[in-house]
Amino acid sequence: EVQLVESGGGLVQPGGSLRLSCAASGFTFSSYWMHWVRQAPGKGLVWVSRINSDGSSTSYADSVKGRFTISRDNAKNTLYLQMNSLRAEDTAVYYCARDSTVTPFDYWGQGTLVTVSS
Amino acid sequence: SYELTQPPSVSVSPGQTARITCSGDALPKKYAYWYQQKSGQAPVLVIYEDSKRPSGIPERFSGSSSGTMATLTISGAQVEDEADYYCYSTDSSGNLWVFGGGTKLTVL
Repeated sequence: EVQLVESGGGLVQPGGSLRLSCAASGFTFSSYWMHWVRQAPGKGLVWVSRINSDGSSTSYADSVKGRFTISRDNAKNTLYLQMNSLRAEDTAVYYCARDSTVTPFDYWGQGTLVTVSS
Repeated sequence: SYELTQPPSVSVSPGQTARITCSGDALPKKYAYWYQQKSGQAPVLVIYEDSKRPSGIPERFSGSSSGTMATLTISGAQVEDEADYYCYSTDSSGNLWVFGGGTKLTVL
């Protein structure tokens, strides 16, 4: 059974940093692209970042470019999102999601809440 | 930047057909995908590559695409189909991953 479990969310002050993790199981993690998608309270889904299967290629939404870094450790079956210079508008539930190319975002984690507030 | 535009809300009575649209300039060249998100839950893929249905998704869910508009159709909508629905696609370069703003489907 495919499982994605996010962790690392919490309350952080503006300007602070946080690292999210997404532990994957039930599939060959190293064969899949992975994404982070966020959802602010009461708002819609917003794509944040993606990484290819071996970690050699990444992309970011303009709103997080230069502040967030996506990475992965295929030996540990884990996806990461390093978030720096956090702003109030980064407050959201952050989901990791698998991309099987034919069916992007075919599996999602349960999400982890990041709250940026003083 | 690239945008996908959806109506904010659609409302139907049980048993009626619900249609949710998604417009985007690159849709003639790029597939549309549809996700259902019920309150407090993670999204679920209901349609991929414009019109294909993943296993486990009821047959009443179908998709189509023509020109710059993709459409999710729920034939004979049920109360349990009440949810937010999001379309997803990429821009023409394939380097921007974009969700539509979401459509709240009410079935009552």
